[in-house]
Amino acid sequence: DSGVTQTPKHLITATGQRVTLRCSPRSGDLSVYWYQQSLDQGLQFLIQYYNGEERAKGNILERFSAQQFPDLHSELNLSSLELGDSALYFCASSVGGLAGALAYNEQFFGPGTRLTVL
Amino acid sequence: EDKVVQSPLSLVVHEGDTVTLNCSYEVTNFRSLLWYKQEKKAPTFLFMLTSSGIEKKSGRLSSILDKKELFSILNITATQTGDSAVYLCAVLSGGTSYGKLTFGQGTILTVHP
Repeated sequence: DSGVTQTPKHLITATGQRVTLRCSPRSGDLSVYWYQQSLDQGLQFLIQYYNGEERAKGNILERFSAQQFPDLHSELNLSSLELGDSALYFCASSVGGLAGALAYNEQFFGPGTRLTVL
Repeated sequence: EDKVVQSPLSLVVHEGDTVTLNCSYEVTNFRSLLWYKQEKKAPTFLFMLTSSGIEKKSGRLSSILDKKELFSILNITATQTGDSAVYLCAVLSGGTSYGKLTFGQGTILTVHP
């Protein structure tokens, strides 16, 4: 158990809908990262927040958005869902961030949320 | 566009063999290279490499970075069936206040008893 929790575990929804995935980082970790893993694309980095601020962005679609709240939990919002959005979405956390004055720290991954879009 | 390429894509060996996994990259403003292991669940972090020529070691696993030739290798000696997994390489790039992480496609390692 990494200490990172993600809810829900599974989510099945229809095309065009909107969903919210939630992540609680390990106690003391300030950074949260979101990843998408699909069979054909492999693991893709989406976005990172550090203490409430966006700090890095990867291949995140405009239909997707995220935020980190004052209690450091994070939510990933996926809207206008398409069949191709079906994937495993991982959240990870670390003490430090990817860049900046704080040195990079080991990331701990949550168990993931499996999203199926029908 | 930043690119990370891993080779081989798949590797099948017998227990006790030594394997070398490769990761080459082309990115703007390289900062560090990371290795992860993924079994049938979430990835686990293995190493982060920032400086050229300094080997990082953890048990039977070791890794080294060559920033001149833009590649890294991950070595696993005396492989065990528990080493069977997908090994992912990722490169951190970007400025001091904003970064980007680009993953390779992974190497699938299968270790037979």
